[in-house]
Amino acid sequence: QSALTQPRSVSGSPGQSVTISCTGTSNDVGTYNYVSWYQQHPGKAPKLMIYDVTKRPSGVPDRFSGSRSGNTASLTISGLQAEDEAGYYCCSYTAGPKYVIFGGGTKLTVL
Amino acid sequence: QLQLQESGPGLVKPSETLSLTCSVSGGSISTSPYFWGWIRQPPGKGLEWIGSFAYTGSTYYNSSLKSRFTVSADTSKNQIFLEVTSVTAADTAVYYCTRVMTGSTFDYWGQGTLVTVSS
Repeated sequence: QSALTQPRSVSGSPGQSVTISCTGTSNDVGTYNYVSWYQQHPGKAPKLMIYDVTKRPSGVPDRFSGSRSGNTASLTISGLQAEDEAGYYCCSYTAGPKYVIFGGGTKLTVL
Repeated sequence: QLQLQESGPGLVKPSETLSLTCSVSGGSISTSPYFWGWIRQPPGKGLEWIGSFAYTGSTYYNSSLKSRFTVSADTSKNQIFLEVTSVTAADTAVYYCTRVMTGSTFDYWGQGTLVTVSS
C-alpha cells in the first residue's frame, strides 16, 4: 500500500457542504479505527481535525465530521467558510511494516 | 500548553548526515501512552511519516525509507532527535516533530523546519 487515495481538489461555495473521500484497503482504512484528518494552510503545520474516524478534538468546530464506509473514509465540512480553504490530508494506521500512511492531500477551494 | 520546536542546520550537503532536534515544553516526553514522531513534507508535496518513538525505547519506522533514519530521545532534556544518513536531494523537505496520541493520530505539531540538501 503506497498511499491513501484522495481527490486532488474539491470546491464549494460559502454555506455549502463538501465531502472529501479517502480510499484505502482492508489493511488500513477498512479495518483500523485509527483514521485521522489534518487541515493545512499554506506555510503552516498541519492541524488535527478528526481522529479515530469520527472524533473531533476540543476546539474543532462541529461543522467538521468524519465517517467511514468499507475501505473509504470521508471528511465532511458543512456550512463552508472562507477560512476552511486549505489542504486536507487523511491518515491511517496500517498493517504491515509501514504502520502509518497518508493520503496524497486534497485542496479545498471556497468559491 | 504543549509546544514542540524543531531545530536543525537548514542546509546539508549530499551524502552527509542530517541531525534534527525537537525540544518539547509544557509536558514530558516520558508521559505514557504517547509516542513522539517525525513527519516530513517535500516542497509542494504531501506528508510522509518517518518514524515514532516512545520513552520506553519502542521505535517504529516507515519501512519504505529503509534504514537511513533513526529516531531517539533524551528524556533528561525533554528532546526528540532525528538522524538521517547519506542524504540526497530527495530528502529536501520540511520536517515536523509531532506527538502521537494513538495509532496514527498526531495531535501536536511543531512549526516545522526546512532542510535543503544541496552542494
